[in-house]
Amino acid sequence: AQSVAQPEDQVNVAEGNPLTVKCTYSVSGNPYLFWYVQYPNRGLQFLLKYITGDNLVKGSYGFEAEFNKSQTSFHLKKPSALVSDSALYFCAVRGSGSARQLTFGSGTQLTVLP
Amino acid sequence: AAGVIQSPRHLIKEKRETATLKCYPIPRHDTVYWYQQGPGQDPQFLISFYEKMQSDKGSIPDRFSAQQFSDYHSELNMSSLELGDSALYFCASSLVSGSDEQYFGPGTRLTVT
Repeated sequence: AQSVAQPEDQVNVAEGNPLTVKCTYSVSGNPYLFWYVQYPNRGLQFLLKYITGDNLVKGSYGFEAEFNKSQTSFHLKKPSALVSDSALYFCAVRGSGSARQLTFGSGTQLTVLP
Repeated sequence: AAGVIQSPRHLIKEKRETATLKCYPIPRHDTVYWYQQGPGQDPQFLISFYEKMQSDKGSIPDRFSAQQFSDYHSELNMSSLELGDSALYFCASSLVSGSDEQYFGPGTRLTVT
């Protein structure tokens, strides 16, 4: 069975500072990893994904994530946080097999303080 | 660009009633997924369809059923509604032969009273 852990329910960061939202995963075979962002009363917006290739993946809105196979992690990062980045962030994983449904982490509420 | 469309956006039903949620995937996407997100919880996979055939099944109650039609839209039918069914229901679509990431609709918020 596949699983995702987001160890921090809440992350607070000052505007302009770098941010990191942590994610670790467990899956059989090669992982397909995703980050989504959810604003209040909105759907999930795709940010970025890792399937293969470079361990550093760049995505939307200046976000990037680093895949670390040995640590089974896929942390989300941004060099300079904006107040508008405040939202709920979900890490998700699926295996490389035929089943394509995503398993999500519990989410991390990011608050960027002005 | 066209996005996933879900209707209705909000739905209020009483216990034991029936509800039907509709999803219109992004044009040319061949796979549809349904997820349920309870209050303060992460989305949980319910069921998916690939080329109008059920492809995977998750934690979907027997009271729920779904199908994908010839025009690729999908419907989630929920019967004998319970208070615990109150949640945000998301539909997502993807193109298996393409980049394969799932694009989510805005969700239908179902409230059972």
